[in-house]
Amino acid sequence: AQSVSQHNHHVILSEAASLELGCNYSYGGTVNLFWYVQYPGQHLQLLLKYFSGDPLVKGIKGFEAEFIKSKFSFNLRKPSVQWSDTAEYFCAVNLTGGGNKLTFGTGTQLKVEL
Amino acid sequence: NAGVTQTPKFQVLKTGQSMTLQCAQDMNHEYMSWYRQDPGMGLRLIHYSVGAGITDQGEVPNGYNVSRSTTEDFPLRLLSAAPSQTSVYFCASSSDLGETQYFGPGTRLLVL
Repeated sequence: AQSVSQHNHHVILSEAASLELGCNYSYGGTVNLFWYVQYPGQHLQLLLKYFSGDPLVKGIKGFEAEFIKSKFSFNLRKPSVQWSDTAEYFCAVNLTGGGNKLTFGTGTQLKVEL
Repeated sequence: NAGVTQTPKFQVLKTGQSMTLQCAQDMNHEYMSWYRQDPGMGLRLIHYSVGAGITDQGEVPNGYNVSRSTTEDFPLRLLSAAPSQTSVYFCASSSDLGETQYFGPGTRLLVL
């Protein structure tokens, strides 16, 4: 069965620091990759996604992620975080042709301090 | 568009009680899913549907039933609530397989 690993469970950064959140998945086939974000008290929303093409994808609010197929990774990055980026971030994987079944990582709680 | 709506927002149940969590979407999406979110475990798929009349089990289906009589609605039923079902439940929909899922605001359930 496929699995998704997020290595950092809690991250605390100061404003303007750079961010990288790790995400690795276990499946060797073709996948669709997602990062979702959940701001405090809100529901999940899409940050960015990768289906095919350029492995460096850009999302909302200055976030980007790079798909490295050889490493089964899809790490999320942001050069300079803001206090408003405080949220929980989830990596998710869907097998291409595998139905509407999204497998989520356990999430990373990011706190940005002023 | 209201997107994906869920009711109720909060619910407290006693062990053994039954209830239905409602989910509706107005985007004409074929695909709908139910997840539960627990601390340190991310979101886990309970049941999903690829269209009216078609449902299937996800990762943690035990204790839950679903049906999909219309494209818009996808209710989740707890037949006999247990404390282990205390969680936050999210409904989601998407237009196609593997596409972006749109999530509802969630239902916070406490089973005593």
